Amino acid sequence: GAVVSQHPSWVICKSGTSVKIECRSLDFQATTMFWYRQFPKQSLMLMATSNEGSKATYEQGVEKDKFLINHASLTLSTLTVTSAHPEDSSFYICSAYPNGRVYEQYFGPGTRLTVT
Amino acid sequence: DAKTTQPTSMDCAEGRAANLPCNHSTISGNEYVYWYRQIHSQGPQYIIHGLKNNETNEMASLIITEDRKSSTLILPHATLRDTAVYYCIVGAGGTSYGKLTFGQGTILTVHP
Repeated sequence: GAVVSQHPSWVICKSGTSVKIECRSLDFQATTMFWYRQFPKQSLMLMATSNEGSKATYEQGVEKDKFLINHASLTLSTLTVTSAHPEDSSFYICSAYPNGRVYEQYFGPGTRLTVT
Repeated sequence: DAKTTQPTSMDCAEGRAANLPCNHSTISGNEYVYWYRQIHSQGPQYIIHGLKNNETNEMASLIITEDRKSSTLILPHATLRDTAVYYCIVGAGGTSYGKLTFGQGTILTVHP
């Protein structure tokens, strides 16, 4: 199956700093990628849809100025958490599907963000 | 997207079939049924999807009722590594294409 990677797998940062998380499709091209957030003992919540070469689409309630998404190429999307605060601590997961195969999404292993 | 209802948790003996039910009574004609699972602290894994017909792949079988209001995911010979949260998701095309709305899922525990 297709592989999606994320980097870093975990990060600890201080309150007020910014953190960048990378999502890469390793063996396929993805025009569209998705970013999810998962708090402990909760389900995944879609944050935004990342589109190569255009602006991301954010779900209701997600601050676009706080969670900056850049989809610079067909294999890379980045999520930057700006001015992070402890309440942003969460498990961030990206997903992508090979172009033309939207029925099969492949998820990255996730990035555990802890803001102190 | 249509809402799904799944049991909170299920148990299964290793080597036996695990049958995970899902109700999606408000599913519309162009919506697919997807199954994903998430093993603790990992990203979800795609299992299978279907529209009307029953589907089978190397991981599982998906049985969709004729009225499409419910479905069952079958893991034919469950192993300990199948212990995970299983999500039944209904998704459509159009502008929502590819967007998945995760519910609480079913915690499947496979025991020796």
